[in-house]
Amino acid sequence: KAGVTQTPRYLIKTRGQQVTLSCSPISGHRSVSWYQQTPGQGLQFLFEYFSETQRNKGNFPGRFSGRQFSNSRSEMNVSTLELGDSALYLCASSAGQLAGVSGELFFGEGSRLTVL
Amino acid sequence: KNEVEQSPQNLTAQEGEFITINCSYSVGISALHWLQQHPGGGIVSLFMLSSGKKKHGRLIATINIQEKHSSLHITASHPRDSAVYICAVRSNTGNQFYFGTGTSLTVIP
Repeated sequence: KAGVTQTPRYLIKTRGQQVTLSCSPISGHRSVSWYQQTPGQGLQFLFEYFSETQRNKGNFPGRFSGRQFSNSRSEMNVSTLELGDSALYLCASSAGQLAGVSGELFFGEGSRLTVL
Repeated sequence: KNEVEQSPQNLTAQEGEFITINCSYSVGISALHWLQQHPGGGIVSLFMLSSGKKKHGRLIATINIQEKHSSLHITASHPRDSAVYICAVRSNTGNQFYFGTGTSLTVIP
């Protein structure tokens, strides 16, 4: 059974640009959640999707957005990039309706974004 | 204000030692997770707890809901246990995830 796949693994952008990251969950998992990890702030929750609906959102500005498709694949987008957006972006999938409540979290390897 | 506090931040142990990592949280929760992250980024879920105690091999996780505290124990530690261990909770209001800052464990042969 394939794990959670995130693409791209590494990318470099400049300030003001936008970026789209992709996450393919484990087959059969319908819940996808996204996280940002930085050395200064550690892991922070971005948002969570189940059956194409955003269930909840962390404390991030509106520049951070996401969506989920009917095949459960999810994308997140960051517009008008800032230097502080440089981070490892992780997604996790879960079999449950609420990620991490009714099901274990399975993480992807992450997408490492560098903003210059 | 940190909703999740972990201790210690750093821990060095000799191979074979018994290790305990502590996690305290301040919000009502529906689940608590212990995560392991090796250098290079990949995160693995070790345990998901809502009550009591769980055991996987040499790892044991306990939670006390009334005291809002959880512990992760590693028995007979091994160098391959060297990693960052992160405590995460899912709040039962708003369904937010909160993370501890992690405990960096180094096990010396």
